Amino acid sequence: DQQVKQNSPSLSVQEGRISILNCDYTNSMFDYFLWYKKYPAEGPTFLISISSIKDKNEDGRFTVFLNKSAKHLSLHIVPSQPGDSAVYFCAASAGFGNEKLTFGTGTRLTIIP
Amino acid sequence: EAQVTQNPRYLITVTGKKLTVTCSQNMNHEYMSWYRQDPGLGLRQIYYSMNVEVTDKGDVPEGYKVSRKEKRNFPLILESPSPNQTSLYFCASIPHAGSEETQYFGPGTRLLVL
Repeated sequence: DQQVKQNSPSLSVQEGRISILNCDYTNSMFDYFLWYKKYPAEGPTFLISISSIKDKNEDGRFTVFLNKSAKHLSLHIVPSQPGDSAVYFCAASAGFGNEKLTFGTGTRLTIIP
Repeated sequence: EAQVTQNPRYLITVTGKKLTVTCSQNMNHEYMSWYRQDPGLGLRQIYYSMNVEVTDKGDVPEGYKVSRKEKRNFPLILESPSPNQTSLYFCASIPHAGSEETQYFGPGTRLLVL
C-alpha cells in the first residue's frame, strides 16, 4: 500500500518556465514532508522540507506548498534550469525525527533548453 | 568532507552466491539504514540500526541481514541472493533517532542477480 504517491512518473518543462511536481499522501499521521533530488549514479540529496504547521516554505527558486486537508503537497521550481533535470522524490515522516521516511515513487523532471 | 560511501558501486552475481555490500560514514552518526529503490515503488527501508549492536527490520527485510559492530560501518548481507533482489541499494545515515537533520545518502550500489 503506497502511502506516498507521485502520480506523474515524468515531466518535461521548458527552461525558464515553472516546474510543478505533485505528491499525495494517505497517512494522516505524517507531519513532516521533504523533497529529495537524485541525479544519475548519485544518492538522493535533500532539497527542501515543510512542517505540517506551515502551508508554504520557500528556498530560492524552490517552494513547497502543503494542503493538509487534501493531503497534497507540491514542489514549484521557478525559473527551471537545465541543472534541475533529475528524479525528485517526496518523502514523509510521522512523529519526532527524520529517521523513518516513507518515500514516493519519484518523478523524473527534464528541463528542455 | 562528510560522506557516506558504499562498495561496490556495481555488482553482477548469480543466484545463491553470498555477497556483502559495505557502507561507511564519517560523521559519527548513530542511526544508519539501508534502502532499495525499484521502479514504481520508490525507496523502501530494508533494515536500520539505531547504534552499535542495535539493528531492526524495516519494511522489506526478507532475504537480507545486517550487522553493526562499529559505529561507522553498516554492511548489508545477502546470504543467498535471488533475482528479485536485483535493485538499486542506498545506505543512509542521520545523527540519531529523533534527529531533525535530514538523511545523508550514499551514492548507491546497483545489483544484478542472474
